[in-house]
Amino acid sequence: ETGVTQSPTHLIKTRGQQVTLRCSSQSGHNTVSWYQQALGQGPQFIFQYYREEENGRGNFPPRFSGLQFPNYSSELNVNALELDDSALYLCASSSPLPPTGRRNYGYTFGSGTRLTVV
Amino acid sequence: AQRVTQPEKLLSVFKGAPVELKCNYSYSGSPELFWYVQYSRQRLQLLLRHISRESIKGFTADLNKGETSFHLKKPFAQEEDSAMYYCALSNRAQKLVFGQGTRLTINP
Repeated sequence: ETGVTQSPTHLIKTRGQQVTLRCSSQSGHNTVSWYQQALGQGPQFIFQYYREEENGRGNFPPRFSGLQFPNYSSELNVNALELDDSALYLCASSSPLPPTGRRNYGYTFGSGTRLTVV
Repeated sequence: AQRVTQPEKLLSVFKGAPVELKCNYSYSGSPELFWYVQYSRQRLQLLLRHISRESIKGFTADLNKGETSFHLKKPFAQEEDSAMYYCALSNRAQKLVFGQGTRLTINP
C-alpha cells in the first residue's frame, strides 16, 4: 500500500509568480484535500476534491485553485503569489466519500511541500 | 463557527509522569474528533479518533459533549511521546478543522 506522496518537497518562488504543487493519493483513496500550514499554526483547510470536482472550500481566495485527475491524484495551483503564501502545503487523502452523512475515518497526510515566496 | 482550541502551545513533563493535552471545540452539531501527531521529521499521522474509543500507544481521549472537550491523556509518559500534537474536528463536509497544536516534551 503506497502512502500519499507530494512533489516537490521544497520550492522558492518570487512574489507574483504562479506555482503548481502535486499530490498522489494513497492507494484506494479517492478523496483529496489540501491544507496550508503556516509556521507555528495548525493546518488550515483549502479545499477538497472528490470525483474530480471541488467538494468544499475553506476561506481562501480564488487564486487558489485545484484539480483532481481520474487516477485521484491532485494539483494545487496558486496564482499571483504573495509573501503570506509562504507555508507548508499538505495534501491528505481519505477513504471513499459517499454523500454527506458518513463518518470521516481520518486522513492520510503527505510530507508536504514547503513553499517560500520571496 | 467551528473552532478547535488547544490552550497550551508547549507542555513539558518528566518521563513516567501523567500527561494531559487539552482540547476544546465549538461546533453546533455532532462533530467527529481526532488527535493527530507529528514526530520529529515525520509526517502528520492519525493518533486516535473518538468514534473508535481506542487506546493507541497508551493514549486515550474521551469526548465530553457537556464541556465540549476532547482531552488527550496518558498515565505514564515516555520519551518517545515527544512530538507535536494536533486536535481536530471533522464536520459533515468532511473537512478537518485543526487546533494550533501543542508541542509535548518528555524530559528524562
